[in-house]
Amino acid sequence: IAGITQAPTSQILAAGRRMTLRCTQDMRHNAMYWYRQDLGLGLRLIHYSNTAGTTGKGEVPDGYSVSRANTDDFPLTLASAVPSQTSVYFCASSEGLAGANEQFFGPGTRLTVL
Amino acid sequence: GQNIDQPTEMTATEGAIVQINCTYQTSGFNGLFWYQQHAGEAPTFLSYNVLDGLEEKGRFSSFLSRSKGYSYLLLKELQMKDSASYLCAVRDSNYQLIWGAGTKLIIKP
Repeated sequence: IAGITQAPTSQILAAGRRMTLRCTQDMRHNAMYWYRQDLGLGLRLIHYSNTAGTTGKGEVPDGYSVSRANTDDFPLTLASAVPSQTSVYFCASSEGLAGANEQFFGPGTRLTVL
Repeated sequence: GQNIDQPTEMTATEGAIVQINCTYQTSGFNGLFWYQQHAGEAPTFLSYNVLDGLEEKGRFSSFLSRSKGYSYLLLKELQMKDSASYLCAVRDSNYQLIWGAGTKLIIKP
């Protein structure tokens, strides 16, 4: 593994189903993030984790949950999917929060909820 | 509220220079980032500004004026592979990135 991986690459999901998007990084970064990207809108932060064992809510957290049991993994769960959660989901990580620490992005998961 | 404004789309010619502007209103400022995103791919980091002035990195330069809430990304000697969306993002007082919707840059031969 090099960088950040996400799984699955794409998924079509029936409304009401539970779904977990997986994210793993091998850079030993402290901070991790989940964004959704919709046409015409900027990336919107769903949840974040500044360090293993802690999580926080972003701009659009409703309907999503996360956990950060270790440094490498940061799964995003949709408890009961709705069509408005159709989007491209990006996981990202950064070494720290401040300074020139840029965020590195995974390849994304394209999710369609019908 | 917090707001990042960028033009939706720009067109330029191969070999030319283009300037993509970004204005922002955020709760606090802890740096401004520019990212490039090719269609169907993830964003990749281009530049970071935290102090006023110009940062140059090869064909790409980024400028910041904190007093004006303004930045621009300058791309020189445009190549076809520069066709992409360019995302402006500001790190706010909570150290979270606030993202603009991106500027789609179309390069014509």
